Amino acid sequence: EAGVAQSPRYKIIEKRQSVAFWCNPISGHATLYWYQQILGQGPKLLIQFQNNGVVDDSQLPKDRFSAERLKGVDSTLKIQPAKLEDSAVYLCASSAGTSGSWELFFGEGSRLTVL
Amino acid sequence: AQSVTQLDSQVPVFEEAPVELRCNYSSSVSVYLFWYVQYPNQGLQLLLKYLSGSTLVKGINGFEAEFNKSQTSFHLRKPSVHISDTAEYFCAVSDYEAGTALIFGKGTTLSVSS
Repeated sequence: EAGVAQSPRYKIIEKRQSVAFWCNPISGHATLYWYQQILGQGPKLLIQFQNNGVVDDSQLPKDRFSAERLKGVDSTLKIQPAKLEDSAVYLCASSAGTSGSWELFFGEGSRLTVL
Repeated sequence: AQSVTQLDSQVPVFEEAPVELRCNYSSSVSVYLFWYVQYPNQGLQLLLKYLSGSTLVKGINGFEAEFNKSQTSFHLRKPSVHISDTAEYFCAVSDYEAGTALIFGKGTTLSVSS
């Protein structure tokens, strides 16, 4: 079974530039998550989708971050314009169900460095 | 709001020694508890989880954790560690009444040396 795929693995940009990350979840998984992991901290939820609808985006900085999950499969997370404090690993995860009891399967992450 | 505290940021141990990684969560009667592990250059993967029932939960690679409701703790233990256990360990909680997604602690780096 293929795991959660993310790209790119690494990205370096200048502040005020834009960047986009892509995620392909495990086939059949209804729920998709984007987490931000800053160095030395645990993952922080940015947004949760169920199929192509948003369940929770309360911690997404909507002035600069956006995310979509077209057709309830792949998802894209965009940052525009980037700030220095956006340097982090962006983790995508998926789960078969929506309740908190389901295991999350994580991708390897996309590491962003903002200069 | 739910929160998770991992009391040790780094735990160095020698191979074959026992280890305990500590985790406390803010009080709630409606929690699911998890431990995830992140090996170098890999994604996070589930070690074990507590949903209900027996408070002692066994996971992969010989790890186990005990849910203690009165102390709001979920400490991870292994009686004898291997070099290959070197990794970052994350405790996480979800509140099923509030319907929250997983909230993670800051992580504990376990370094096993020979």
